Amino acid sequence: AQSVSQHNHHVILSEAASLELGCNYSYGGTVNLFWYVQYPGQHLQLLLKYFSGDPLVKGIKGFEAEFIKSKFSFNLRKPSVQWSDTAEYFCAVSGGKLTFGTGTRLQVTL
Amino acid sequence: DGGITQSPKYLFRKEGQNVTLSCEQNLNHDAMYWYRQDPGQGLRLIYYSQIVNDFQKGDIAEGYSVSREKKESFPLTVTSAQKNPTAFYLCASGWGAEDTEAFFGQGTRLTVV
Repeated sequence: AQSVSQHNHHVILSEAASLELGCNYSYGGTVNLFWYVQYPGQHLQLLLKYFSGDPLVKGIKGFEAEFIKSKFSFNLRKPSVQWSDTAEYFCAVSGGKLTFGTGTRLQVTL
Repeated sequence: DGGITQSPKYLFRKEGQNVTLSCEQNLNHDAMYWYRQDPGQGLRLIYYSQIVNDFQKGDIAEGYSVSREKKESFPLTVTSAQKNPTAFYLCASGWGAEDTEAFFGQGTRLTVV
């Protein structure tokens, strides 16, 4: 069975601070990994995805994620967060069905 | 204007009544999904369908039913057997292959009183 763990439930950062959100997955097949974001009052949208190739993937709005196979991890990073990054972030793994983690609520303060 | 439409945005029902949530997509996607979102629990898969007239149970299918009679429609019925139906329900669609993402609707907030 596939599963996703996000260990940070609520993160509070000041603007310009660096961000790293953890994501660990469990899946026996070929891995396809995603990060989605849900801004307040908006629908869930894709930030970035990894299917194969370069383990460092870049997404929208300056976000990036690194796939580390040996650690079963796909952590999300951003060098300098903005107030507008305040949102809930979900990691997901696909293996026929799309399975999500419990989400991390990011609050960026001015 | 292409996308996924869920209706209504807010829905109230009395306990013991079945209720059907609508999900329509005009993206020509093969696969459609229903998730339930609760605070602190993320998105949990209820049902999914990879093709018309076929669907599979997700992780929390008990108390729910679906149909997929048309490619563009995937309605979800919350039955009276669902013990805790009050939640935010999200519908999504995609091409169905493992290496493609899903696209989400705006969601329906169901409150059962």
